[in-house]
Amino acid sequence: SAVISQKPSRDICQRGTSLTIQCQVDSQVTMMFWYRQQPGQSLTLIATANQGSEATYESGFVIDKFPISRPNLTFSTLTVSNMSPEDSSIYLCSVMTGDSYEQYFGPGTRLTVT
Amino acid sequence: GQQVMQIPQYQHVQEGEDFTTYCNSSTTLSNIQWYKQRPGGHPVFLIQLVKSGEVKKQKRLTFQFGEAKKNSSLHITATQTTDVGTYFCAGLGSQGNLIFGKGTKLSVKP
Repeated sequence: SAVISQKPSRDICQRGTSLTIQCQVDSQVTMMFWYRQQPGQSLTLIATANQGSEATYESGFVIDKFPISRPNLTFSTLTVSNMSPEDSSIYLCSVMTGDSYEQYFGPGTRLTVT
Repeated sequence: GQQVMQIPQYQHVQEGEDFTTYCNSSTTLSNIQWYKQRPGGHPVFLIQLVKSGEVKKQKRLTFQFGEAKKNSSLHITATQTTDVGTYFCAGLGSQGNLIFGKGTKLSVKP
């Protein structure tokens, strides 16, 4: 397993601003992912954070809106740019370790955009 | 694209009753995983099933993977209030990503 921390745990932001969410893992991991979860809903994959190269985005998500960095095997950031109230959600990072496909999730960042 | 359907969306049970949630995929899955998310928490990995017809047990929880590897179920025997939460199934996509079902929210009345 892996221990994952996220910062901030929650934030309230103004429309039009940007927020960067950090995800730190206690060990090197092969894959890191960013998800969005609306209250009471399922998880939607935003992108796979690739170490040393551009992130791989899912349909409906673009780099200009959700730039992602992954400078090493233990850390990644997700920026929510030019926020609108529709971006209010919980953002979760997850990691996949070793050869197993199971994922471990961070505690999430609860974002409210006013 | 690949989809994973999960039913029911909600289930309310009396403590001690059994509970089952079902997961179906439009395509054959290489594996299926189950996660539990407590209210206010994050998803926590429960189990992974890989083989056709596989059955795994964790105490009162029984997980099954269908013979055709297109469906799966999670059965909880004699529910307890600690079982409250949302149970998600997730199939492994072609890119190594997980495709989550919509989840079944379980409430248990003491």
